Amino acid sequence: DTEVTQTPKHLVMGMTNKKSLKCEQHMGHRAMYWYKQKAKKPPELMFVYSYEKLSINESVPSRFSPECPNSSLLNLHLHALQPEDSALYLCASSPSLLAEETQYFGPGTRLLVL
Amino acid sequence: SQQGEEDPQALSIQEGENATMNCSYKTSINNLQWYRQNSGRGLVHLILIRSNEREKHSGRLRVTLDTSKKSSSLLITASRAADTASYFCATAPNNAGNMLTFGGGTRLMVKP
Repeated sequence: DTEVTQTPKHLVMGMTNKKSLKCEQHMGHRAMYWYKQKAKKPPELMFVYSYEKLSINESVPSRFSPECPNSSLLNLHLHALQPEDSALYLCASSPSLLAEETQYFGPGTRLLVL
Repeated sequence: SQQGEEDPQALSIQEGENATMNCSYKTSINNLQWYRQNSGRGLVHLILIRSNEREKHSGRLRVTLDTSKKSSSLLITASRAADTASYFCATAPNNAGNMLTFGGGTRLMVKP
């Protein structure tokens, strides 16, 4: 199984809502990533987890809160988002944080903040 | 932050023609990778070239790397309509593990 799954596929939320994005992989990968991608722009790294511990936080606002409850799951909790946070949120995984390892991406969650 | 620039930003060709996309980057790298993204979906890894390699092939794909110019190119030969997608280069800087920084991307359209 070389698949990374993400739920939901689409999400519309108000600025006062709390919601969560979910990512799952069963490839035994120990590194997992969240990226944010605006329309017609490249993905931008938000967070990196390695062995369920937060390794990298690319200066992301605190209204985004990542969580890695186990080696297969990665969540992104959203609270008090702004309309400019509307984007495609991509999850990826790789065997480890070593360079030269392919990252496997999920299909993304398309988020609209009203 | 965006490491590299890609050109062209958009490319439209006929089926059967070759497509060439270029990528430039700024820092020393461990490797450079190319990814493909279909219409707002997830990215798919295409090919990786290490910093000590100059050229690599995979099927209809040919990648070159010039570390002295900090640039790479992706050539897709005998293109097909199904190759229509956005193509991104991604660099893994030295001493940064697997932290990828993506270039701006090239949107390729292959007309049947």
